[in-house]
Amino acid sequence: GQNIDQPTEMTATEGAIVQINCTYQTSGFNGLFWYQQHAGEAPTFLSYNVLDGLEEKGRFSSFLSRSKGYSYLLLKELQMKDSASYLCAVMDSNYQLIWGAGTKLIIKP
Amino acid sequence: NAGVTQTPKFRVLKTGQSMTLLCAQDMNHEYMYWYRQDPGMGLRLIHYSVGEGTTAKGEVPDGYNVSRLKKQNFLLGLESAAPSQTSVYFCASSQGQEGQPQHFGDGTRLSIL
Repeated sequence: GQNIDQPTEMTATEGAIVQINCTYQTSGFNGLFWYQQHAGEAPTFLSYNVLDGLEEKGRFSSFLSRSKGYSYLLLKELQMKDSASYLCAVMDSNYQLIWGAGTKLIIKP
Repeated sequence: NAGVTQTPKFRVLKTGQSMTLLCAQDMNHEYMYWYRQDPGMGLRLIHYSVGEGTTAKGEVPDGYNVSRLKKQNFLLGLESAAPSQTSVYFCASSQGQEGQPQHFGDGTRLSIL
């Protein structure tokens, strides 16, 4: 079967750095996406990785290792508005997105 | 910038009733998707469409039907609602598949009593 694993919940302090991990086992691989979802709102696109390595976008970075079936999302200089769920999704061989259950990130002052 | 618009935003149904959820996108995207989101689970694909006039089954299609008569609209129907269909339903669209992010509507919160 296909599986995406992420921690259920993480807590971090405003101004700090947090890393959210995602491991996957899927039928094929055509890229990995990270989305942010605030409570009661729609998921919004953050990043896309298809090759190994680090992609940086401002305060957010995403890393991929295809051989290890592993990705992480790194959030720097945390702000209160970063409190949200972070969803990892892998595009399989049929170009369907397989979604993790999401990691709820709680930011404390 | 409307993007993806879903109607209604909230709805309460009784078991056995039918309803249609409407999704409209103004980005001229070819691909459209219907997902459901339940607590503790990832988004699950119900049905999707790769273009006007086409539809295909996703991971959890039973109890749902869809239609894509116009490129900008994707309708999700529940013929006979069941309590197990209580969920938040999201519509999404994308320009393509490989490497293309999906853009989501604000969701429809549906309760079946």
